[in-house]
Amino acid sequence: GQNIDQPTEMTATEGAIVQINCTYQTSGFNGLFWYQQHAGEAPTFLSYNVLDGLEEKGRFSSFLSRSKGYSYLLLKELQMKDSASYLCAVMDSNYQLIWGAGTKLIIKP
Amino acid sequence: GAVVSQHPSWVICKSGTSVKIECRSLDFQATTMFWYRQFPKQSLMLMATSNEGSKATYEQGVEKDKFLINHASLTLSTLTVTSAHPEDSSFYICSARDVVQGDQETQYFGPGTRLLVL
Repeated sequence: GQNIDQPTEMTATEGAIVQINCTYQTSGFNGLFWYQQHAGEAPTFLSYNVLDGLEEKGRFSSFLSRSKGYSYLLLKELQMKDSASYLCAVMDSNYQLIWGAGTKLIIKP
Repeated sequence: GAVVSQHPSWVICKSGTSVKIECRSLDFQATTMFWYRQFPKQSLMLMATSNEGSKATYEQGVEKDKFLINHASLTLSTLTVTSAHPEDSSFYICSARDVVQGDQETQYFGPGTRLLVL
């Protein structure tokens, strides 16, 4: 079956760095997405990785290893507004999105 | 974990026809479901909130007469794109809200339905 795993919840301190991991097992691979979702709002697009390596975009970076079925989202210089759920999703060979359950990130002062 | 399914996965239709997309929560009851559109590598755009047994709430700019939503049961919501045109071609994603233990809620997303209007 197809499966996406990510931690349920993480806690970090304002100004620090946090890494949210995502492992996947899917039928085919057409890219991995990271989204940020604040409570009561629609998910906002953060990153898309289809090739191995690190993609940096401001305070956020996303890494992909296709051979390991692994990705992580790295958040630097954490701010209180980064408190949200972070969703990992993989597009499979049929271009369907397989979603992780999301990681709730709690930022403490 | 909870599973949300969508049917069909792909739709190719002629301009002017109507297309119905189903969203089902497979192992939980969802009083609230959400319908989104997504363009490549962009954020999900919320179209409407579907509440079981009542009318859907549409976001600003979304035509309620064009995108008909029916949430007839606690496990099924449907989105009908009426008189579809090429500009309606998009990736439609639904999600369902699961509320457990009082007020703890989680939103589960469907795999999406790709619509291509010729």
